[in-house]
Amino acid sequence: KAGVTQTPRYLIKTRGQQVTLSCSPISGHRSVSWYQQTPGQGLQFLFEYFSETQRNKGNFPGRFSGRQFSNSRSEMNVSTLELGDSALYLCASTPGQSANTGELFFGEGSRLTVL
Amino acid sequence: GENVEQHPSTLSVQEGDSAVIKCTYSDSASNYFPWYKQELGKRPQLIIDIRSNVGEKKDQRIAVTLNKTAKHFSLHITETQPEDSAVYFCAASGGYSTLTFGKGTMLLVSP
Repeated sequence: KAGVTQTPRYLIKTRGQQVTLSCSPISGHRSVSWYQQTPGQGLQFLFEYFSETQRNKGNFPGRFSGRQFSNSRSEMNVSTLELGDSALYLCASTPGQSANTGELFFGEGSRLTVL
Repeated sequence: GENVEQHPSTLSVQEGDSAVIKCTYSDSASNYFPWYKQELGKRPQLIIDIRSNVGEKKDQRIAVTLNKTAKHFSLHITETQPEDSAVYFCAASGGYSTLTFGKGTMLLVSP
């Protein structure tokens, strides 16, 4: 079974631009969540989607948005990029049907550098 | 919202020693507590987890204990090996695949 796939793996943007990151979950998984990883703050929850609906959202500004498609693939978008948005963005998938959290399967991440 | 504190931030041990990492959480509604290991340049991977109806869980050299009353949980690694060197994250969840992570512990095991 293929793992969680994230694209692109690396990208460089300049302040003010926007970026779209993509995540393909493990086949059969319907929940996709996104995390921002930085050296100072660790892993911080952005949002979680299940069956195209956002079930939870973390404490990030409205510049951070996401969506999920009918095939469970997910995208996240960051508009008006700031230097502080430089981070590794990790996507994780789970089967998701149960309200109980189980193992999250992470992708390798998209490393965003904002200049 | 949930807040998870993790200590220590770095931990150096000699091969064969034990290592203990401690976490506290704030939300009494949290009921799932996983531990993830992240090697340099790689993705986080689950190494062990525990639910709130269990006080202790063991898997070979790794064990996790949970004290719901005190709202803290700990990871114990015995007979450490150089390949145990990594960053370890604790986390807490109240449901729906949403995890609040601690800031991580960098474990260095010296031969």
